[in-house]
Amino acid sequence: SQQGEEDPQALSIQEGENATMNCSYKTSINNLQWYRQNSGRGLVHLILIRSNEREKHSGRLRVTLDTSKKSSSLLITASRAADTASYFCAISRGGNNRLAFGKGNQVVVIP
Amino acid sequence: DTAVSQTPKYLVTQMGNDKSIKCEQNLGHDTMYWYKQDSKKFLKIMFSYNNKELIINETVPNRFSPKSPDKAHLNLHINSLELGDSAVYFCASRPSGGDQETQYFGPGTRLLVL
Repeated sequence: SQQGEEDPQALSIQEGENATMNCSYKTSINNLQWYRQNSGRGLVHLILIRSNEREKHSGRLRVTLDTSKKSSSLLITASRAADTASYFCAISRGGNNRLAFGKGNQVVVIP
Repeated sequence: DTAVSQTPKYLVTQMGNDKSIKCEQNLGHDTMYWYKQDSKKFLKIMFSYNNKELIINETVPNRFSPKSPDKAHLNLHINSLELGDSAVYFCASRPSGGDQETQYFGPGTRLLVL
């Protein structure tokens, strides 16, 4: 099965800066989702973007989707120390809603 | 009022033992999942149940046997534990139908096989 692949793998930024992560995939999708995982915790859903959407916002999060390039980006604006976490993209191809996860981006926001 | 809960949170056991992990969701969701996250944080689906019926069964050794006594519970029994089973196991749930595609994850069960 095809998986989302995030890039870069690790990112360290100062508080207040923006953080951008990319995700690429290889198949057609129904939607692409981003999840956050704090250390020692489960994954928390952040945002879902459908294949017919190009951009979506949720608070300080902005997600773009380019189906022609099979890629997505997650932008966190004005980062905070609490944003320190691993971020995963996951693609859904529909049917029984199996999600295929990428390897995750570790983001460290330095206060 | 935890939405998706798992027990135990930590599990340390000897190779060859049999152990179970339990998952419960109080969200009224129809679909539940088990995922395995390895030491490199790669997350892979193992099983999915919808209304107590198995709908996804990835290439998982048959030492792993899921059981869903009702749609709010999905347990995972592992026989003859091996060193390579050490990982974090996550349960997740999702409502059925329409545009309900977000999955809700439990806190994870950290399994260490010695």
